[in-house]
Amino acid sequence: DTGVSQNPRHKITKRGQNVTFRCDPISEHNRLYWYRQTLGQGPEFLTYFQNEAQLEKSRLLSDRFSAERPKGSFSTLEIQRTEQGDSAMYLCASSSSGSVVYGYTFGSGTRLTVV
Amino acid sequence: AQSVTQLGSHVSVSEGALVLLRCNYSSSVPPYLFWYVQYPNQGLQLLLKYTSAATLVKGINGFEAEFKKSETSFHLTKPSAHMSDAAEYFCAVSERGATNKLIFGTGTLLAVQP
Repeated sequence: DTGVSQNPRHKITKRGQNVTFRCDPISEHNRLYWYRQTLGQGPEFLTYFQNEAQLEKSRLLSDRFSAERPKGSFSTLEIQRTEQGDSAMYLCASSSSGSVVYGYTFGSGTRLTVV
Repeated sequence: AQSVTQLGSHVSVSEGALVLLRCNYSSSVPPYLFWYVQYPNQGLQLLLKYTSAATLVKGINGFEAEFKKSETSFHLTKPSAHMSDAAEYFCAVSERGATNKLIFGTGTLLAVQP
């Protein structure tokens, strides 16, 4: 069990560029979550998948954001036409059950800076 | 909608002193409650969770929290602070039977003075 892996750890991009982040969950976990954390705030829910199905999306996830989990394993989060307000830490988490009782395992995050 | 309020964005204690980080939740039905810790440039690590099995919950690193329904609180405590406890702590809530997403508080940054 290598935990939840996120790549890259850091990304600096120019405003208007597209970026893509990857998350590799714990292999036996069927649920995968994306959160966004800005400075001084707690993580905010963006979206989650059960297997390959995207079951819920937050209103925070504008049409410039898209997430996929094509084979129910790794997931990607893409941001198109980045804006300075997108600068944040993007956290991925996975869980092995439909019940939150078991808790999530978080990755170390991808820190995005839009300049 | 569920929410949690963490009182005190910054808390400073001396090494060896009691740590008390406050969390209040809003819910008419007892939810699931969690405390996570985040070290600089790291993800979140689960400290402990309340799922109704017991009101006093013990977690890792000597932390514990007590669920008090009458006060809608789930405060985090540790009898004796260690320098390595310096980090940001987040309280989170999830509704029972809902989509399992966690709603986080704004966090409390704990500083431990030598």
